[in-house]
Amino acid sequence: DAGVTQSPTHLIKTRGQQVTLRCSPKSGHDTVSWYQQALGQGPQFIFQYYEEEERQRGNFPDRFSGHQFPNYSSELNVNALLLGDSALYLCASSLAVAEAFFGQGTRLTVV
Amino acid sequence: AQTVTQSQPEMSVQEAETVTLSCTYDTSESNYYLFWYKQPPSRQMILVIRQEAYKQQNATENRFSVNFQKAAKSFSLKISDSQLGDTAMYFCAFMSETGANNLFFGTGTRLTVIP
Repeated sequence: DAGVTQSPTHLIKTRGQQVTLRCSPKSGHDTVSWYQQALGQGPQFIFQYYEEEERQRGNFPDRFSGHQFPNYSSELNVNALLLGDSALYLCASSLAVAEAFFGQGTRLTVV
Repeated sequence: AQTVTQSQPEMSVQEAETVTLSCTYDTSESNYYLFWYKQPPSRQMILVIRQEAYKQQNATENRFSVNFQKAAKSFSLKISDSQLGDTAMYFCAFMSETGANNLFFGTGTRLTVIP
């Protein structure tokens, strides 16, 4: 079992650009959540996808959007990048209640 | 809204000794879950231990145990026989029973195990 995999591991974007991050959940998991972890902070919940729909959303602007595919993999899109979007983006997958298995994250740097 | 507070930004412990990391939280819910996650330099969040609020017995996982005080809204992590591999950031996290599996994290405690 490969666990939760995220790609890419690192990327650098210019302010104003758009970015897409990808996540493949642990085998059999049908729910994917995305978190943003700024430097020196704990992760903050962005949104969660289940059955290809956004089920819950945290306090993030509409510039942050996502998608879940029939195979349960997911994408996080961020438009009009700001310097403040620089962070580690973590994906977590789950199947049962009260569990979350995390990937290694994507480090996004906006310059 | 739920909040999680970790008041110890950094801690250190001698190898083989015991250390306790503190966490407090605020919620109006009666049923919920609490977690401790470890984040080593590899960045991946690794589940250390989980506690269900309706269970009075404190959870234990090998060298890791918690002291869950529901009335005080306190959830501390005790690491016994500390090992060099325990060096990492430790995050306390809250999950509502009805929260669709989204976690609220504290700001973390950086633990260093000294040889």
